[in-house]
Amino acid sequence: KQEVTQIPAALSVPEGENLVLNCSFTDSAIYNLQWFRQDPGKGLTSLLLIQSSQREQTSGRLNASLDKSSGRSTLYIAASQPGDSATYLCAVSTSGSRLTFGEGTQLTVNP
Amino acid sequence: GAVVSQHPSWVICKSGTSVKIECRSLDFQATTMFWYRQFPKQSLMLMATSNEGSKATYEQGVEKDKFLINHASLTLSTLTVTSAHPEDSSFYICSVRTSGRLAGNEQYFGPGTRLTVT
Repeated sequence: KQEVTQIPAALSVPEGENLVLNCSFTDSAIYNLQWFRQDPGKGLTSLLLIQSSQREQTSGRLNASLDKSSGRSTLYIAASQPGDSATYLCAVSTSGSRLTFGEGTQLTVNP
Repeated sequence: GAVVSQHPSWVICKSGTSVKIECRSLDFQATTMFWYRQFPKQSLMLMATSNEGSKATYEQGVEKDKFLINHASLTLSTLTVTSAHPEDSSFYICSVRTSGRLAGNEQYFGPGTRLTVT
């Protein structure tokens, strides 16, 4: 059974800092890995999708890496802003459709 | 990406009543939609996979007679919580999986429905 763990559970940083969120998974036979953002009481916004054959994806200030063999992914956020405050969820797909989610990292960026 | 809507965004109902939640894929024909449940301070848990024109596939521990799923068209799936109880109070989120035109099997999520059972 796939298990996804995210560390840290919560993170508070001053505006402008670069930061890294971590995600690990137990079954390396994944189809892809997705990072999402969730604002309080809202649905999920897809940030980045990394296919199993890829090592990283970039979108603006976000960079996600994937090391499938070690079962790890990181989400790097550059020059953090207060608007980045949200919960970040990592999810892996082992069959091309079914997603297993981590517990999330609650990020607070202080002005 | 695909645009997904849910209705209602929130609902309060009395214990014992049934509630229907709609999930619509606005710009994409989805043969497969997914229903998730999220309790406070917890992550999303997959409840069932909704397949257009056929029966839904439920995850272990999810009662199919309690959570009725209908996927009658390529753009609409409904989740009906029957005989709701306070422990069913949760945040219900649907998603669609893209393939073909939007390759990569990426999932796009609706805004969620907050259900409170009193």
